[in-house]
Amino acid sequence: GAGVSQSPRYKVAKRGQDVALRCDPISGHVSLFWYQQALGQGPEFLTYFQNEAQLDKSGLPSDRFFAERPEGSVSTLKIQRTQQEDSAVYLCASSHWGGDYEQYFGPGTRLTVT
Amino acid sequence: AQRVTQPEKLLSVFKGAPVELKCNYSYSGSPELFWYVQYSRQRLQLLLRHISRESIKGFTADLNKGETSFHLKKPFAQEEDSAMYYCALSEGSSNTGKLIFGQGTTLQVKP
Repeated sequence: GAGVSQSPRYKVAKRGQDVALRCDPISGHVSLFWYQQALGQGPEFLTYFQNEAQLDKSGLPSDRFFAERPEGSVSTLKIQRTQQEDSAVYLCASSHWGGDYEQYFGPGTRLTVT
Repeated sequence: AQRVTQPEKLLSVFKGAPVELKCNYSYSGSPELFWYVQYSRQRLQLLLRHISRESIKGFTADLNKGETSFHLKKPFAQEEDSAMYYCALSEGSSNTGKLIFGQGTTLQVKP
């Protein structure tokens, strides 16, 4: 079956621009996660949704980062007024509910802020 | 605070040699530990988790709560094992499942 998909795969933004990154989880998966992976580092948690509810946004680095999942399926991560330090790969993962289930990762969106 | 440490950024071995990728964690409760792998040009995927006690592709990992370690081992490395390996922790079955990753270790298996 189809896995997690993300678009765009690559995004170049000029400093100060707003960007929107999309994640299509596996159908039926309740949980959706966003992670940020800087070059040479492991992924770092940003935020978590259970259906349409954003239950944990403790990892969002600033109020320029905003995520939504209005219908409990597709999610969008928005970054306003991008800065160079936002350059990273943004990974989306989905799973059945709760910590017992494997997370399935998308291919990521590589964001470069110039 | 929860933390996962992978002390080696790169581990290079010859084909057929034993492999041990180190992972240490700090967490006060009862965590769940995982190994994720990313092969070249592929997405991150689960390799194994400690609660399943499985051997996947010849790899095993034992959770040592006394030493707070979860090292990944394989007795005889194969060239196709070359990849980036991440150790990760989650807070246990009662939680959301968010993962805390280590920095990753690149395993290079030479012919």
